[in-house]
Amino acid sequence: QVQLVESGGGLVKPGGSLRLSCAASGFTFSDYYMSWIRQAPGKGLEWVSYISSSGSTIYYADSVKGRFTISRDNAKNSLYLQMNSLRAEDTAVYYCARTFPIGYSHDYWGQGTLVTVSS
Amino acid sequence: EIVLTQSPGTLSLSPGERATLSCRASQSVSSSYLAWYQQKPGQAPRLLIYGASSRATGIPDRFSGSGSGTDFTLTISRLEPEDFAVYYCQQGHTFGQGTKLEIK
Repeated sequence: QVQLVESGGGLVKPGGSLRLSCAASGFTFSDYYMSWIRQAPGKGLEWVSYISSSGSTIYYADSVKGRFTISRDNAKNSLYLQMNSLRAEDTAVYYCARTFPIGYSHDYWGQGTLVTVSS
Repeated sequence: EIVLTQSPGTLSLSPGERATLSCRASQSVSSSYLAWYQQKPGQAPRLLIYGASSRATGIPDRFSGSGSGTDFTLTISRLEPEDFAVYYCQQGHTFGQGTKLEIK
């Protein structure tokens, strides 16, 4: 069955960096687009970034552009999110999700990893 | 940038009743890009509907989606206890703010 498992979250000071990972299994990872979506405590969902199956097409939300970098390693069935210059407003649960290239809906999600940015 | 407005913010109904949730876009959108999710406390969202009206794998047929242009609807024909949750619509990279479906 499809499984997505995020890791790498934690407590970081403002201005710091963190790298999230998402390990995929149960499907041919290299065939699928992938996304990062976040949810601040008690708030709604916010799309962060998406990457095409080959990694050639990447998009970012304006709120993270220039600070976050999405990448993938198809040989390792893994998705990554490098987060730099973190701000308090980046505090959220970060989910990785498998994404349809048409319509950008997300059919499988990981359980999420919490990132807390605080001094 | 498209804005999705969901209504109502909170919907209070009883098991067995019919639920109708609305998602309105600030401009016309392609039906292919409209999806609905269910999220329960402490859990990741679950895809219910994609392409405005297609049920995702394993989703019961009491869930249905409809609409076009700027107005879309998620209908739950007969509420089960496990259906009480928060529901989000999504178009492209934009999510609505959510509708909380609570037990009356």
